[in-house]
Amino acid sequence: DTAVSQTPKYLVTQMGNDKSIKCEQNLGHDTMYWYKQDSKKFLKIMFSYNNKELIINETVPNRFSPKSPDKAHLNLHINSLELGDSAVYFCASSPQREGLETQYFGPGTRLLVL
Amino acid sequence: AQKVTQAQTEISVVEKEDVTLDCVYETRDTTYYLFWYKQPPSGELVFLIRRNSFDEQNEISGRYSWNFQKSTSSFNFTITASQVVDSAVYFCALSEGGWLQGGSEKLVFGKGMKLTVNP
Repeated sequence: DTAVSQTPKYLVTQMGNDKSIKCEQNLGHDTMYWYKQDSKKFLKIMFSYNNKELIINETVPNRFSPKSPDKAHLNLHINSLELGDSAVYFCASSPQREGLETQYFGPGTRLLVL
Repeated sequence: AQKVTQAQTEISVVEKEDVTLDCVYETRDTTYYLFWYKQPPSGELVFLIRRNSFDEQNEISGRYSWNFQKSTSSFNFTITASQVVDSAVYFCALSEGGWLQGGSEKLVFGKGMKLTVNP
């Protein structure tokens, strides 16, 4: 059984489009995250949600809007896509919001903006 | 502020060689956790180990071992008798105490170290 799943795995789109990436975890975790990995493999947190409440928002353009319909899901919507948004986006989850628990990552969504 | 430095960007070894991946961290907190993750060519991020700041015991898991030294703020990772399947990018990461301890809840990653093990 997949613990943290993301859809789609690959996303190719044109500049200016709006797209969403979905994330689901079946681990019963309370906290979910979005990370961005750029072309140089650098991983940086974007958002963190705990029980549907936004906890971390790391200076991400407001074109990016996370939405958590329930604590098992954290979706990422991106408006007006730009070339620089091309990256791999990873969803992760952890049992608590304490920052001390291991974060388990999804397989990643490879976004290419043309 | 939190910072993780992986000074080596890329290492290439021949199978069966031992290899050590260095990780140096900076934090003002007394409560923190250190992690290693592996990213194989397939792209997923695989959790390897978590170590808290109060436990300086070294750990061994099969061919993998970790050396945590608070005195030098280092958390190094050694692969013994490397194999081709060990080829991956390895990330060291730091998480400070959560909101109850006045810290953040995010993982701060090093830039990663690409290991290539040749047959």
